[in-house]
Amino acid sequence: EVQLVESGGGVVRPGGSLRLSCTASGFTFDDHGMSWVRQGPGKGLEWVSYITWNSGSTAYADSVKGRFTISRDNAENSLHLQMKGLRVEDTALYYCARVNWELDAFDLWGQGTMVSVSS
Amino acid sequence: QSALTQPASVSGSPGQSITISCTGSGSDVGGFNSVSWYQHHPGKAPKLMIYYVDQRPSGVSDRFSGSKSGNTASLTISGLQAEDEALYYCTSYTSRTTYVFGTGTEVTVL
Repeated sequence: EVQLVESGGGVVRPGGSLRLSCTASGFTFDDHGMSWVRQGPGKGLEWVSYITWNSGSTAYADSVKGRFTISRDNAENSLHLQMKGLRVEDTALYYCARVNWELDAFDLWGQGTMVSVSS
Repeated sequence: QSALTQPASVSGSPGQSITISCTGSGSDVGGFNSVSWYQHHPGKAPKLMIYYVDQRPSGVSDRFSGSKSGNTASLTISGLQAEDEALYYCTSYTSRTTYVFGTGTEVTVL
């Protein structure tokens, strides 16, 4: 089955760290760029970060630049998001999404993993 | 990067057509054809409905269509059905090699 499964979410104090993971199956992982997208409580979707198929290029939203790091392990079919210096406003459901380069769109999404930042 | 502007809500009766706008700038919507639309039912994964402004992925109903004029993209749903009730988001590639989503539109079928 073609799918993405996120994990690693949880509750963390402001200033803390968390590492999210996304495991891909059913397709050739290293054929695709990947992104993280989040949705805060009562808010819309917000693009967070992107990584190319070979990790050669990454990009970040201004709101997370310098605090979050995206990475991938093609041998393990996995995508990661290392989050440091977490803020209350980072509280959100974090989705990983496959970037289809032929469509330049996010054509496959996971179910999300919840991150709550609270004191 | 500010979110693209969408109306908060749009409604219509079954069988009617509705259009959702998505307004950005020349640095995103107006400068690129990498505009896509997503349907999101709360609690589920978002679903790609339109890519490259007006292209439909296989399996998406032809009741969904997209267009763009200048800095504004639009999604039209024809023959509105109860199952179309959801949140809809546009997104665009940007000149800063990032992506930006729209503010989201709640579609209600009356």
